Amino acid sequence: NAGVTQTPKFQVLKTGQSMTLQCAQDMNHNSMYWYRQDPGMGLRLIYYSASEGTTDKGEVPNGYNVSRLNKREFSLRLESAAPSQTSVYFCASSEPGVLKEGYTFGSGTRLTVV
Amino acid sequence: QKEVEQDPGPLSVPEGAIVSLNCTYSNSAFQYFMWYRQYSRKGPELLMYTYSSGNKEDGRFTAQVDKSSKYISLFIRDSQPSDSATYLCAMKRIQGAQKLVFGQGTRLTINP
Repeated sequence: NAGVTQTPKFQVLKTGQSMTLQCAQDMNHNSMYWYRQDPGMGLRLIYYSASEGTTDKGEVPNGYNVSRLNKREFSLRLESAAPSQTSVYFCASSEPGVLKEGYTFGSGTRLTVV
Repeated sequence: QKEVEQDPGPLSVPEGAIVSLNCTYSNSAFQYFMWYRQYSRKGPELLMYTYSSGNKEDGRFTAQVDKSSKYISLFIRDSQPSDSATYLCAMKRIQGAQKLVFGQGTRLTINP
């Protein structure tokens, strides 16, 4: 059971560079999410996709874009990276209405912007 | 003011101690409450969930919700070194997409 797979696991970018973080889930979940985790800030929602074909902003969307490519895949793009985007990024998925299962998280992407 | 407040710790206790982890929240619309455990360099994993007020027990873990005080707790009995992790509370409004709001997380160390 792969669950939620994130790539890459680590990345160092220079200010102004762009990159896409990839996320794929194999649990047939309808909803997918991107969070960032910073010390003392907990997990903050960047964007989410309630179902295939829809995306919505979360708490901290500025500087990011997302694409729900299909039911399995949800990517996060940084168009022009800034040092403030240095963080650990987590993708998660869930099935609406099945609360007991909660979210399933990937293992994270550790991004450093210099 | 954050919607969910959690003491970030760190908290360090001896093996076998009873641990109490707590969160407060400001939005009375929250109905579903969860606790996630996150080991170092891993993603969070669901530990417990409860709906509305009351207690829920699962082995050495007890989740407690007091909606009148907007306060939730996680108790760990007979704590083990393997319980050393960051614990995050999370909660959700009853309607809408399943957007969880997380606390900051409490880093817990159980010393052998």
